[in-house]
Amino acid sequence: KQEVTQIPAALSVPEGENLVLNCSFTDSAIYNLQWFRQDPGKGLTSLLLIQSSQREQTSGRLNASLDKSSGRSTLYIAASQPGDSATYLCAVTGAGSYQLTFGKGTKLSVIP
Amino acid sequence: DAGVTQSPTHLIKTRGQHVTLRCSPISGHKSVSWYQQVLGQGPQFIFQYYEKEERGRGNFPDRFSARQFPNYSSELNVNALLLGDSALYLCASSFGTETYIQYFGAGTRLSVL
Repeated sequence: KQEVTQIPAALSVPEGENLVLNCSFTDSAIYNLQWFRQDPGKGLTSLLLIQSSQREQTSGRLNASLDKSSGRSTLYIAASQPGDSATYLCAVTGAGSYQLTFGKGTKLSVIP
Repeated sequence: DAGVTQSPTHLIKTRGQHVTLRCSPISGHKSVSWYQQVLGQGPQFIFQYYEKEERGRGNFPDRFSARQFPNYSSELNVNALLLGDSALYLCASSFGTETYIQYFGAGTRLSVL
């Protein structure tokens, strides 16, 4: 059974700082890994999708990496802003499965 | 273009009642998935439908059922509601199945009293 873990559970940083969020998964047989953002009480916004054959994806100030063999992914956020405050979730789609398996998320607070 | 739309936004029910949640996918998307998110947890997979057929089912009791219509919209039905069914129910759509980005709606907040 696939399990996804995100560390830390919560993170508070001053505005302008660069930061890294971590995600690990137990079964390396995946189709892809996706990072999402969730604002309080809201749905999920897709940030980046990394296919299993890729090593990283970039969008603006966000960069996500994937090391499938070690079961790890990181989300790097450059020059953080108060508007980045949200919960960040990573999810994997397992090979032979149709479902996303999520971690519990990292709650990020960027202090002005 | 409209994103994934879910209705209703909020719903309050009592134990034992039945509820129907609705989802309209992004135009052109043929896959719809349903997830349950309890406060403080990541979403848990309930169902996936592709081309009106069930393609996956999560570890939920038979009180949960779903279907997909010819226009690719979907309904999630929950019978005999329990207090533990209180959660945010999320619908996601994608063009295909495993390798495509899933786009989520804003969710339906269900409270069971």
